Amino acid sequence: EVQLVESGGDLVQPGGSLRLSCAASGFSFSSSSWMSWVRQAPGRGLEWVALINQHTGAEYYVDSLKGRISISRDNAKNSLYLQVNSLRVEDTAVYYCVKDRGMDWGQGTLVTVSS
Amino acid sequence: DVVMTQSPLSLPVTLGQPASISCRSSQSLVYSDGVTYLNWFHQRPGQSPRRLIYNVFNRDSGVPDRFSGSGSGTDFTLKISRVEAEDVGIYYCMHSINWPWTFGQGTKVEIK
Repeated sequence: EVQLVESGGDLVQPGGSLRLSCAASGFSFSSSSWMSWVRQAPGRGLEWVALINQHTGAEYYVDSLKGRISISRDNAKNSLYLQVNSLRVEDTAVYYCVKDRGMDWGQGTLVTVSS
Repeated sequence: DVVMTQSPLSLPVTLGQPASISCRSSQSLVYSDGVTYLNWFHQRPGQSPRRLIYNVFNRDSGVPDRFSGSGSGTDFTLKISRVEAEDVGIYYCMHSINWPWTFGQGTKVEIK
């Protein structure tokens, strides 16, 4: 059974940073073509924010966050990460770890940016 | 960026009756490999989204056959043949033909 378990969400002040983690199990992490982060602000829709191609290492970021986020993976640890810097109030959201083109999702980790 | 537009945004339905959601993309979702990268997701309140349909009409494992997807090019439809109580929630279409992958606004399905 595929499991994606996110962690690292927290209450942070504007301007702060967070590193989100996603522990993957139940499948060959290094062979999965795409791993992503998708976020959902409270009461809002879904936004695909970062994507990494497992085979080429190519990284993609949504324009609204470009320059402030970085996606990475550690195949030896079966883990995906998202570094988010210079956090803003509007970054408050549940951040989901997602496998492939949305085949599997984690339960999400809540990031709250507030002073 | 490809813009995904869903309609309606709110859909009151009667149990046992059919329901249909439309999704239009601002450009064709047919990739050079011939695959159309259009997916449908369902999100129940307080839960993570779940993919129902991939590549227009393929149901994911465990998805009831009352759900079906159709369409081509830029116009797509998700149909529920007979709505059940567990089908309430928000439905999203989403493309993955090029970056950024984007979702529609969501269609909220509720029981009348």
